[in-house]
Amino acid sequence: DQQVKQNSPSLSVQEGRISILNCDYTNSMFDYFLWYKKYPAEGPTFLISISSIKDKNEDGRFTVFLNKSAKHLSLHIVPSQPGDSAVYFCAASAGGNKLVFGAGTILRVKS
Amino acid sequence: EAGVAQSPRYKIIEKRQSVAFWCNPISGHATLYWYQQILGQGPKLLIQFQNNGVVDDSQLPKDRFSAERLKGVDSTLKIQPAKLEDSAVYLCASSSIPLPASSYEQYFGPGTRLTVT
Repeated sequence: DQQVKQNSPSLSVQEGRISILNCDYTNSMFDYFLWYKKYPAEGPTFLISISSIKDKNEDGRFTVFLNKSAKHLSLHIVPSQPGDSAVYFCAASAGGNKLVFGAGTILRVKS
Repeated sequence: EAGVAQSPRYKIIEKRQSVAFWCNPISGHATLYWYQQILGQGPKLLIQFQNNGVVDDSQLPKDRFSAERLKGVDSTLKIQPAKLEDSAVYLCASSSIPLPASSYEQYFGPGTRLTVT
């Protein structure tokens, strides 16, 4: 039962353009959502998060949007840089309980 | 501040053998997690400790997997006997935030890549 889905296995974007990574969830009890970034041979690192009481959270070049009615969130990276090339995981939690991760999206930013 | 340390980084074993992984969390972090990440999937929580007590081990295959956290600091995860489907990266994470919010801020180690042949 995949409660968190990232339907795009990979995404390729030109440097300077916008990258949009999408995530869908099925569990309506999820109230906190996080994005992690992972480089090869390293562990995931926290990128940005959003509580279900908000619909947008911004941190520099990174913005996360939450659409609760559609059970959908997205991560926008503007402008995209070659160093952003990594695997991005969407994760969700219900009341601080264990994180449920999506399968990840490989982002390639071409220079 | 030193990050989460894990060893070994890579391990190759034959099926039915035993293997153990070690994790040293960030100093002072009370909460420790072990995750299994199979190729092409996201990390899946195996077990969560708060100090040296188990908080959640509902997804740990207890017939072959075991974990302990000695004195509330270092932790070991053991597989005995290993199966082919155990091939994965085993990630350790820690958090300084007490339950229930500890899931909101986790720091991951680099992982141990296990290959079972």
